[in-house]
Amino acid sequence: GAGVSQSPRYKVAKRGQDVALRCDPISGHVSLFWYQQALGQGPEFLTYFQNEAQLDKSGLPSDRFFAERPEGSVSTLKIQRTQQEDSAVYLCASSLSGGRGLSNEQFFGPGTRLTVL
Amino acid sequence: AQSVTQLGSHVSVSEGALVLLRCNYSSSVPPYLFWYVQYPNQGLQLLLKYTTGATLVKGINGFEAEFKKSETSFHLTKPSAHMSDAAEYFCAVSDNSGYALNFGKGTSLLVTP
Repeated sequence: GAGVSQSPRYKVAKRGQDVALRCDPISGHVSLFWYQQALGQGPEFLTYFQNEAQLDKSGLPSDRFFAERPEGSVSTLKIQRTQQEDSAVYLCASSLSGGRGLSNEQFFGPGTRLTVL
Repeated sequence: AQSVTQLGSHVSVSEGALVLLRCNYSSSVPPYLFWYVQYPNQGLQLLLKYTTGATLVKGINGFEAEFKKSETSFHLTKPSAHMSDAAEYFCAVSDNSGYALNFGKGTSLLVTP
């Protein structure tokens, strides 16, 4: 596709439910990032993949959060036993390559707005 | 860890007036600095970035920013605001690891006729 796509765009979950959020990066992009953006805040880093390898998951807020990218393209962010504090917009970004210094532009998807009731 | 502070959560300017959005960073290593714009219900779009070299960086839509190491600042400017510039603007700095972006809380720009 022309850009990063995410699905669903909106998700409403009852507290305690599991959710799965999908990210389709730009074709050929090696690096993939997940961010969490709470209402009125800037995005916060969750996790980073280079191809299928998850190189950094230091931003995941708890062990209820899990991300995977098994074939090095599509990624899924899974949240188990959702809580109200998980309500946020989840942004996915991809970049052509990775590596220290991060001079490569990250292209962002439109996000998935998760509301936990 | 590196961080950014954006002064002013809301900025209002008249159409045609100068736009100035402030960003200060903290970093123990040479930073990579970015400005992103976010329109409602859309993802973030890169306006401009500073990595190395020239400290005055020009971006899209007439925006520019100047990296001032002595002031640890990276303020965003545009000489003449357009109505279409109304959006949320985020300053970001690259993390020590070189992978993640650390964002400020954002500044909402309102442009009045």
